[in-house]
Amino acid sequence: DSGVTQTPKHLITATGQRVTLRCSPRSGDLSVYWYQQSLDQGLQFLIQYYNGEERAKGNILERFSAQQFPDLHSELNLSSLELGDSALYFCASSVGLTPGTEAFFGQGTRLTVV
Amino acid sequence: AQRVTQPEKLLSVFKGAPVELKCNYSYSGSPELFWYVQYSRQRLQLLLRHISRESIKGFTADLNKGETSFHLKKPFAQEEDSAMYYCALSTYGGATNKLIFGTGTLLAVQP
Repeated sequence: DSGVTQTPKHLITATGQRVTLRCSPRSGDLSVYWYQQSLDQGLQFLIQYYNGEERAKGNILERFSAQQFPDLHSELNLSSLELGDSALYFCASSVGLTPGTEAFFGQGTRLTVV
Repeated sequence: AQRVTQPEKLLSVFKGAPVELKCNYSYSGSPELFWYVQYSRQRLQLLLRHISRESIKGFTADLNKGETSFHLKKPFAQEEDSAMYYCALSTYGGATNKLIFGTGTLLAVQP
């Protein structure tokens, strides 16, 4: 158990809908990263937060947004969902600002858009 | 642009054979590189990092800055090594703190 918790584990929703994925980092970790894993794209970095502030952005669509709350948990909001958004969404956390320390991953949330 | 390339989607070897999983990176700064592994039905976890220069489960990886490579090697593959392997590049600089992954290589070790 890495200590990173993601909920829900599975989510099935219709196109056009909006969902929220939740991540609780390891105790003491200030950085949270979100990744999207699809079959043909591998692990795509979406966004990073550190102690409540956005610190880095990757290939995150405008329909997607995230935030990190004072208790350090993070939420990834996906709106106007399309079939192509179906993927495994991972959250990871690390102690510091730089990911040069080990990143610990959650089990992921499998999103299926129908 | 920062990029990690893993050219092989699948690598199939027999038990006891040597393994080399290729990883090339593109980064203008000083790179920090990692190998992460995902066993079936388990979460992604760190296997090794180049700064530690360690051997984990018989795997080693050497950073070659001239060739911008960080290939993962093991002299004798075991069936339990079958998993998805991701090479990752850590970048740090102001607002660009990222951990970038390659597309992964599935290692299948046949009995």
